[in-house]
Amino acid sequence: QKEVEQNSGPLSVPEGAIASLNCTYSDRGSQSFFWYRQYSGKSPELIMFIYSNGDKEDGRFTAQLNKASQYVSLLIRDSQPSDSATYLCALGDRDDKIIFGKGTRLHILP
Amino acid sequence: DVKVTQSSRYLVKRTGEKVFLECVQDMDHENMFWYRQDPGLGLRLIYFSYDVKMKEKGDIPEGYSVSREKKERFSLILESASTNQTSMYLCASSTGFSGNTIYFGEGSWLTVV
Repeated sequence: QKEVEQNSGPLSVPEGAIASLNCTYSDRGSQSFFWYRQYSGKSPELIMFIYSNGDKEDGRFTAQLNKASQYVSLLIRDSQPSDSATYLCALGDRDDKIIFGKGTRLHILP
Repeated sequence: DVKVTQSSRYLVKRTGEKVFLECVQDMDHENMFWYRQDPGLGLRLIYFSYDVKMKEKGDIPEGYSVSREKKERFSLILESASTNQTSMYLCASSTGFSGNTIYFGEGSWLTVV
């Protein structure tokens, strides 16, 4: 069973600080990794995807992938109250399925 | 922009009723998915389809069936609804290559009483 593990939180971060969200996975054959944001009562929306080891930056967001250690993380710089949401880590397997973690609740403190 | 449309946003059905949840995508995506999301359990894959008339079971297919007669449309069917199927159902679609991004519809909130 392929698994994606996330700390459920809540993770509380002061406004303006860096929020760090982590995810580990079990399937070494996973090729692609995604971070989705989900507001309460809404559907998930894609924030970033990453395929290669290292960092990928997009605005205030940085995704980090380490395939050897089987973890992927998301950093949010200059956290804003609007960043308060549940963040879902997901991976794409070789069968085109996307497997999701249960999500980490992030709360940005004003 | 990719558009995944779920026709029913909020439904209330009685135990034993047959329920249809419809999903349409407008981006010519090969893959389509049905997930359900429950508090503490995350997103769980019910069924997915990688082509017309093709379907594969996900992690929790019991009590559900699907239909994909046209590329753009993927239907989830609850043959005989039960209270434990009360949930939010999410349809999604993606292109048909490994590593593809999936896009979600707005979700269908189903309550079975």
